[in-house]
Amino acid sequence: QVQLVESGGGLVKPGGSLRLSCAASGFTFSDYYMSWIRQAPGKGLEWVSYISSSGSTIYYADSVKGRFTISRDNAKNSLYLQMNSLRAEDTAVYYCARVSGDFPWFDPWGQGTLVTVSS
Amino acid sequence: SYVLTQPPSVSVAPGKTARITCGGNNIGSKSVHWYQQKPGQAPVLVIYYDSDRPSGIPERFSGSNSGNTATLTISRVEAGDEADYYCQVWDSSSDPHVVFGGGTKLTVL
Repeated sequence: QVQLVESGGGLVKPGGSLRLSCAASGFTFSDYYMSWIRQAPGKGLEWVSYISSSGSTIYYADSVKGRFTISRDNAKNSLYLQMNSLRAEDTAVYYCARVSGDFPWFDPWGQGTLVTVSS
Repeated sequence: SYVLTQPPSVSVAPGKTARITCGGNNIGSKSVHWYQQKPGQAPVLVIYYDSDRPSGIPERFSGSNSGNTATLTISRVEAGDEADYYCQVWDSSSDPHVVFGGGTKLTVL
């Protein structure tokens, strides 16, 4: 079955860095756009970034532009999010999700990994 | 940027029909997707392309979209439907491209 498993979350100090990973299985990873979406504690969903199937097209939300970098390794069926210059407001559960459709939706989602930015 | 507006909460008795709205400027011209999120769990897609149901989603879940309002309708509501529901659109002319509504907490009385 289609499965996405995130890892790499944890506690980091403001200004620090963290790299999240998402391992995909059960589908042809290289055929799909992928995305990161986050959810601050007790808050709603916020789209962070997406990357095309080949990695040639990438977009970011303004809130993370210049600080976060999305990438993928199709040979390893893996998606990544390098997060630099982290701020308290980046504290959230980060989900990876497969992108589908011409006016895309996200399905499925991984279980999420918690990133806490605090001194 | 494009804004999607959802009511913070909706309450419904078991067996009745719940309607959760998602308002946006001319949202009827866009494709709307809906997600269900239960406490401590990841979101699950329940409706895509306004009214299509993924496999495994009960027929009780349906969607519509016209004018400035999209609606998720849950018929014969069950206790297990209690969750947060989010609408989402993709608008390549907007920044950001992906917009989520603020979410609606569905309470089953």
